[in-house]
Amino acid sequence: DTAVSQTPKYLVTQMGNDKSIKCEQNLGHDTMYWYKQDSKKFLKIMFSYNNKELIINETVPNRFSPKSPDKAHLNLHINSLELGDSAVYFCASSQYVGVANYGYTFGSGTRLTVV
Amino acid sequence: SQQGEEDPQALSIQEGENATMNCSYKTSINNLQWYRQNSGRGLVHLILIRSNEREKHSGRLRVTLDTSKKSSSLLITASRAADTASYFCATDAGTNAGKSTFGDGTTLTVKP
Repeated sequence: DTAVSQTPKYLVTQMGNDKSIKCEQNLGHDTMYWYKQDSKKFLKIMFSYNNKELIINETVPNRFSPKSPDKAHLNLHINSLELGDSAVYFCASSQYVGVANYGYTFGSGTRLTVV
Repeated sequence: SQQGEEDPQALSIQEGENATMNCSYKTSINNLQWYRQNSGRGLVHLILIRSNEREKHSGRLRVTLDTSKKSSSLLITASRAADTASYFCATDAGTNAGKSTFGDGTTLTVKP
């Protein structure tokens, strides 16, 4: 059983399009995150939700809008995609806010390529 | 600038040798975590060490933390080809609503 699953795994789209990435966790965790990993493997947090409430919103263009319909789901919608948005986007979850004893559980990533 | 910085950036060793990776950070932390990322996959949590701990073991992994030097090391003993991956440290300052800051990563290649 996949603990944190995100879809799609690959996404190739043209500049200017709008796309969504979905994430679901079946761990019963309270907190979910979106991270962006660039071509140099640098990971940067974008958003965090705790029990459906936004708690971290880093300096991210407002073309990126997260939505959490319930604590098991955190989706990421991106409007007007730009070439610079090309990256791998990781969803992650943790039992509570902060990693406590067990760290984050990551999904396998969505590789977004904007052409 | 990011909190964690790892060195070396890349490390290549023979199977059976030990691999040591270092992580330095800038501000006080609540805990430090190490993760492994295989090519094309998500990160996998390996070990978490709290700020009041100095050393932790898990199987072939040994992590040390020196808060006075703001540094940590990950030692993988008796490495295997399957240990080939990128390794990241992440620091949790405990004050940022659960935000951990990741380092640049060390790419480890273990040759059979």
